[in-house]
Amino acid sequence: NAGVTQTPKFQVLKTGQSMTLQCAQDMNHNSMYWYRQDPGMGLRLIYYSASEGTTDKGEVPNGYNVSRLNKREFSLRLESAAPSQTSVYFCASGTGTTQETQYFGPGTRLLVL
Amino acid sequence: SQKIEQNSEALNIQEGKTATLTCNYTNYSPAYLQWYRQDPGRGPVFLLLIRENEKEKRKERLKVTFDTTLKQSLFHITASQPADSATYLCAPNTGGFKTIFGAGTRLFVKA
Repeated sequence: NAGVTQTPKFQVLKTGQSMTLQCAQDMNHNSMYWYRQDPGMGLRLIYYSASEGTTDKGEVPNGYNVSRLNKREFSLRLESAAPSQTSVYFCASGTGTTQETQYFGPGTRLLVL
Repeated sequence: SQKIEQNSEALNIQEGKTATLTCNYTNYSPAYLQWYRQDPGRGPVFLLLIRENEKEKRKERLKVTFDTTLKQSLFHITASQPADSATYLCAPNTGGFKTIFGAGTRLFVKA
């Protein structure tokens, strides 16, 4: 089992460019999440998908869109990147039950110039 | 608004000693609380979960307490080892999908 995988590992964008971060899990989990992590701050939830076919906003959704492509895959899109979106992005998955544990991917480091 | 506080300063301890990390939360009543470990350049990894009706939980050298009156959780690592050096995140949760994570405390264990 690969667990949660993310692509790419690193990316540099210019302001205004768009890109999609990919995430896939092979644990048959129902819920999936996108977080960003900035220095000195905790993980902040961008969007989540409680189950296949549903998506909801988290704490910091502005500037992002998501797609739950199927049960395995959950992508995060930046339509017009801004320097404030420079961060490390983590995808996670969970069983979707109460008191679930979340399993995180290795992260994508994004620099927006 | 909901707030989580963890020691922002790094904790430096000697190998073999017990490390104690603190997590305080305000403006909400979590049904459970989780602790995760994060190594540099990697994603967080789940360690322990403690429910609101549990005072203490243990797993090998790890012990977590949960005081809902003080709104605090303590995370202990006994007989600490250099391999325990990492950042530890707490995540009190009310039971929904929107987990809030603390910023974490960096632990350094010196040989």
